[in-house]
Amino acid sequence: GENVEQHPSTLSVQEGDSAVIKCTYSDSASNYFPWYKQELGKRPQLIIDIRSNVGEKKDQRIAVTLNKTAKHFSLHITETQPEDSAVYFCAAMGGGSNYKLTFGKGTLLTVNP
Amino acid sequence: DTAVSQTPKYLVTQMGNDKSIKCEQNLGHDTMYWYKQDSKKFLKIMFSYNNKELIINETVPNRFSPKSPDKAHLNLHINSLELGDSAVYFCASSTLAGLYNEQFFGPGTRLTVL
Repeated sequence: GENVEQHPSTLSVQEGDSAVIKCTYSDSASNYFPWYKQELGKRPQLIIDIRSNVGEKKDQRIAVTLNKTAKHFSLHITETQPEDSAVYFCAAMGGGSNYKLTFGKGTLLTVNP
Repeated sequence: DTAVSQTPKYLVTQMGNDKSIKCEQNLGHDTMYWYKQDSKKFLKIMFSYNNKELIINETVPNRFSPKSPDKAHLNLHINSLELGDSAVYFCASSTLAGLYNEQFFGPGTRLTVL
């Protein structure tokens, strides 16, 4: 089955700096890669996603890049703000028909004012 | 409000008891999921139903039994609760139609087994 590795597990940055979180996946048939943000005590919420036919996608301060050959994808957050502090999860959806999402283990991002 | 809702929000119970968690979505989605998030925040799929049919059944003890009476509801029944069942359980839903498969999560149910 699919295996998703996520690094780093914790990341601390100063407000205004950029943050990068990286993930690798194992199943070359995976075709959908979402990123979820989970604030403390809250539910995970989708912040951006990318499909395997696209190499990069941007939405204001967040961007995701995908390298299918290397089987890795990354989340980039620019001009970080304290409200960006949360746990971020990457995920990969396998190429089978069961639409199963396999999540990485999460990155705790802390943005220091 | 259009959303995924779960009840109860908190559940504290003794080992050996049987408990249920209910989930409802009014987003018109045809697929629903149960996830378990352990104390290390790891999110793992347990089950998924598409139009009341089980499509994902991960390696979960058979003490856990999902039930989908219709495509808007997916309940989770847990028999003979154990300490290791303590976790936050999230329900989610999505549509399989089209290009986008965003999963919308419920608020979670924090289960504590004493």
